[in-house]
Amino acid sequence: NAGVTQTPKFQVLKTGQSMTLQCAQDMNHNSMYWYRQDPGMGLRLIYYSASEGTTDKGEVPNGYNVSRLNKREFSLRLESAAPSQTSVYFCASSEFRGTNSGNTIYFGEGSWLTVV
Amino acid sequence: LAKTTQPISMDSYEGQEVNITCSHNNIATNDYITWYQQFPSQGPRFIIQGYKTKVTNEVASLFIPADRKSSTLSLPRVSLSDTAVYYCLVGDLSGNTPLVFGKGTRLSVIA
Repeated sequence: NAGVTQTPKFQVLKTGQSMTLQCAQDMNHNSMYWYRQDPGMGLRLIYYSASEGTTDKGEVPNGYNVSRLNKREFSLRLESAAPSQTSVYFCASSEFRGTNSGNTIYFGEGSWLTVV
Repeated sequence: LAKTTQPISMDSYEGQEVNITCSHNNIATNDYITWYQQFPSQGPRFIIQGYKTKVTNEVASLFIPADRKSSTLSLPRVSLSDTAVYYCLVGDLSGNTPLVFGKGTRLSVIA
């Protein structure tokens, strides 16, 4: 199973350029997330989508936009990249399957973005 | 969202049992406690999840006292491959409220 797939894996952008990180999951999960992780730091939530058609801001949404295209796909867009957005970006998905089964977040492999 | 506090780092020798404690004083009634492990250059992966008392799986044990204001992840007989960052998360499992990661605990296992 592919799980959570995100592209591209590596990208270098110039300041002011725009780009979209793509994410798709094949587990039929309702909830999807975008996190960023700076070197030596924990993960910070950028945006999340509890279900198809809904999106909400996380801890650090400024400078980003998201689109929940359908149940499978959740994209993250940088409209005008800044050096402060240099980071590793992780897409994730999860599904609540009842109190006995819990809720596990599945992560993609990460996208390394450098803004120069 | 319940805030969690963990030690920033811990060191251990191979073969020892490691206990990482997480404090979550404002945990809500519907909140569960979940631990994730992250290796360098990889996304976090699920270790264990619980609501109260004790949960054990093939990888770890999770101890939760009656007041649920803290929890302890126990890793038996660690090896070098257990060197990673461990995150404690607290939240309901509905998916409507996202789980927020703190800075985690960096565990270094020494030979």
